[in-house]
Amino acid sequence: EAQVTQNPRYLITVTGKKLTVTCSQNMNHEYMSWYRQDPGLGLRQIYYSMNVEVTDKGDVPEGYKVSRKEKRNFPLILESPSPNQTSLYFCASSPPGNTKAFFGQGTRLTVV
Amino acid sequence: SQQGEEDPQALSIQEGENATMNCSYKTSINNLQWYRQNSGRGLVHLILIRSNEREKHSGRLRVTLDTSKKSSSLLITASRAADTASYFCATDPHYGQNFVFGPGTRLSVLP
Repeated sequence: EAQVTQNPRYLITVTGKKLTVTCSQNMNHEYMSWYRQDPGLGLRQIYYSMNVEVTDKGDVPEGYKVSRKEKRNFPLILESPSPNQTSLYFCASSPPGNTKAFFGQGTRLTVV
Repeated sequence: SQQGEEDPQALSIQEGENATMNCSYKTSINNLQWYRQNSGRGLVHLILIRSNEREKHSGRLRVTLDTSKKSSSLLITASRAADTASYFCATDPHYGQNFVFGPGTRLSVLP
């Protein structure tokens, strides 16, 4: 089954404690992206990757890092999380041409 | 940065009625897509319309695109309670950045 898998689904952490949210897709897609979703603001792109070892900043990259060492994985790293990073995070992948994005089920992160 | 803007922000209708949502964007695009999101879950792709198309249908969905006005509309006919969700338009700008989403329209279909 074609899917994008994020882990964990829920996470509560404390300010400053490094964390990683994993994202994996089994569709051999080149494009992968991370978004955060906040009430009234819709989805805002954090980082995206057009292929292995190719990443670029989206609209709200501050406080986040990503890596793309393999085509299927695109982890999101918060080196020093802060409360303003409390949000619902989505990973997505899509084939060339941006014809359709496949989304993970989301990770609800709370930073206290 | 470019962003789609959906209108209205919220819409409440009775089952069986039609629901129309609009999306405006700022720069030229390759295509425009509509997605649905059930509460707190991942987005699901509904339909894509390319910049050289004016109208597209898929089941009870009808999408129009007016590139001169930089706007699109999504019509859901004969709505059902199961259509209750948030709907987002997403644009794919020519400069290659991946999808850019608007804030969404929250649709409630009352039985």
